[in-house]
Amino acid sequence: NAGVTQTPKFRILKIGQSMTLQCTQDMNHNYMYWYRQDPGMGLKLIYYSVGAGITDKGEVPNGYNVSRSTTEDFPLRLELAAPSQTSVYFCASSLGLSGSSAKNIQYFGAGTRLSVL
Amino acid sequence: DQQVKQNSPSLSVQEGRISILNCDYTNSMFDYFLWYKKYPAEGPTFLISISSIKDKNEDGRFTVFLNKSAKHLSLHIVPSQPGDSAVYFCAASARSGGYQKVTFGTGTKLQVIP
Repeated sequence: NAGVTQTPKFRILKIGQSMTLQCTQDMNHNYMYWYRQDPGMGLKLIYYSVGAGITDKGEVPNGYNVSRSTTEDFPLRLELAAPSQTSVYFCASSLGLSGSSAKNIQYFGAGTRLSVL
Repeated sequence: DQQVKQNSPSLSVQEGRISILNCDYTNSMFDYFLWYKKYPAEGPTFLISISSIKDKNEDGRFTVFLNKSAKHLSLHIVPSQPGDSAVYFCAASARSGGYQKVTFGTGTKLQVIP
């Protein structure tokens, strides 16, 4: 019962490098999300997707891109890494819209700790 | 603008006593509230939730209270156990266009002392 799987767990990038954070879920959830968590801060939404082929910006999308070609996968792309992108990144998924308590619950991966030096 | 606030960054409680974690919000359109628990090096996991039409929800040792007039909710853990030591995030949800937008608080680190 894997749930939401993120890879890699840790990564160090140099300024200007690019990388993709992988996220996959096996719960057949419609909604997927990417968050970042900075020290002492809450979770800030970067991008979200309501289904395959549909993505939209969250609160802090600058410097990131996403794609959703399948229901299961939702990779996050950093094109030109900057020190401000040093953070812990969490991917999450949920059934979808409100209407029942179960649909509001998000299931999170274990996170990717990224340092940009 | 921080729509969901957890004003206590940390809390220490003796084992067996009650832990009370607080959360305040500003957006009256929030219709669903959730608490997540996070251990180090793990992602947050869902703990308990409450709809805005209710004022209390209980699940074992965990109870969430909602005071809509005060825009305040609290999580009670009784009795507290050392395994409850974690960071607790309050989250609030509201419909925004076609999307159920969720806003997280900054978290409260609970330490339960044996």
